[in-house]
Amino acid sequence: KAGVTQTPRYLIKTRGQQVTLSCSPISGHRSVSWYQQTPGQGLQFLFEYFSETQRNKGNFPGRFSGRQFSNSRSEMNVSTLELGDSALYLCASSEFMNTEAFFGQGTRLTVV
Amino acid sequence: AQKVTQAQTEISVVEKEDVTLDCVYETRDTTYYLFWYKQPPSGELVFLIRRNSFDEQNEISGRYSWNFQKSTSSFNFTITASQVVDSAVYFCALSEGQAGTALIFGKGTTLSVSS
Repeated sequence: KAGVTQTPRYLIKTRGQQVTLSCSPISGHRSVSWYQQTPGQGLQFLFEYFSETQRNKGNFPGRFSGRQFSNSRSEMNVSTLELGDSALYLCASSEFMNTEAFFGQGTRLTVV
Repeated sequence: AQKVTQAQTEISVVEKEDVTLDCVYETRDTTYYLFWYKQPPSGELVFLIRRNSFDEQNEISGRYSWNFQKSTSSFNFTITASQVVDSAVYFCALSEGQAGTALIFGKGTTLSVSS
């Protein structure tokens, strides 16, 4: 089976812009989670989607949003980008909630 | 509150040495799951193991072994006869029964294995 695919791998955006990141989970997996990784804060949970519904949300401002499509693919959106949003964004897929989560290679976002 | 502590920030060993990575967790849930992930320089998190709170059996997979002790809230990871390819950042993580797959990660331990 193909692994978790995240696109794009790298992005450079300007403060104030918005960005959309995409994640294709492993075939048959219905749960998709997103994480932000920064040197200062480490790995932090953003949100989880299962069957097109957001099931859990981490402690991030409303500028961070996501959605999941009927084919389980997911997107996350960050509006009004700030310099502090520069990070590696990782997507994970799992067959169901609370099962093993497998991660993609991430999208490295740089905000200038 | 839930928390995962990896007290060792960096560990350096020479090839063939055994090394243990410590993980201590805090949770009020009786149902929870513990994980270890490896993050090589490429950035992708590689799943190593998932253990639920009701299964305290130790596990061995090749050179890797895990020791889960609820009495001390620890889930330690040992690499036997380390190799250069084991060099990576290792993360311990916790998810609680009611929180879906939301993982709470420790800060990670950077393991450097030299030849």
